Amino acid sequence: QKEVEQNSGPLSVPEGAIASLNCTYSDRGSQSFFWYRQYSGKSPELIMFIYSNGDKEDGRFTAQLNKASQYVSLLIRDSQPSDSATYLCAVNAGANSGYALNFGKGTSLLVTP
Amino acid sequence: DGGITQSPKYLFRKEGQNVTLSCEQNLNHDAMYWYRQDPGQGLRLIYYSQIVNDFQKGDIAEGYSVSREKKESFPLTVTSAQKNPTAFYLCASGPGPGELFFGEGSRLTVL
Repeated sequence: QKEVEQNSGPLSVPEGAIASLNCTYSDRGSQSFFWYRQYSGKSPELIMFIYSNGDKEDGRFTAQLNKASQYVSLLIRDSQPSDSATYLCAVNAGANSGYALNFGKGTSLLVTP
Repeated sequence: DGGITQSPKYLFRKEGQNVTLSCEQNLNHDAMYWYRQDPGQGLRLIYYSQIVNDFQKGDIAEGYSVSREKKESFPLTVTSAQKNPTAFYLCASGPGPGELFFGEGSRLTVL
């Protein structure tokens, strides 16, 4: 079983601060990594994907990947109350699993005004 | 608009009944997936299909069945053999390696 681990939180940050969300994965052969945001009662929506080691920035979001350490993170700058949600880390399971995504249990983020 | 449509959004089932959840996509994706989510949990893979008339079991397929007769459609049947079916069910599709696109979900409650 390919594991994806996240701290369940809740992670509480004040408005305007940087929120840092972390994820580790067990399959060293994993190639692609995704961060989804899920509001309560809603379906997940993609925030970012990353395939290469290093940082990838998109607006207030930065994804970081370190394949040697099997570690993925998501930074949210200038956090807003509307960022309060559960953030799911997902890892592509590869061709043998039909390119399904393996998900972590999610980290709950609360941004306080 | 392109997307994934799941129905019904809410469904109530008596114990011992089979129910079928519908999933239709117009994104022209070959691959489709069914996930289950329980409160405070991540998504767990039930079944997936990469082409028409072919599908594979995921991590928690027991008590579920699927069909893929058309590229656009991937219905999920929750059978009476599923002992704890109350959950949020999510259908997704994807073009291959890469992101998955999700429907709005179907919430099943067993009475």
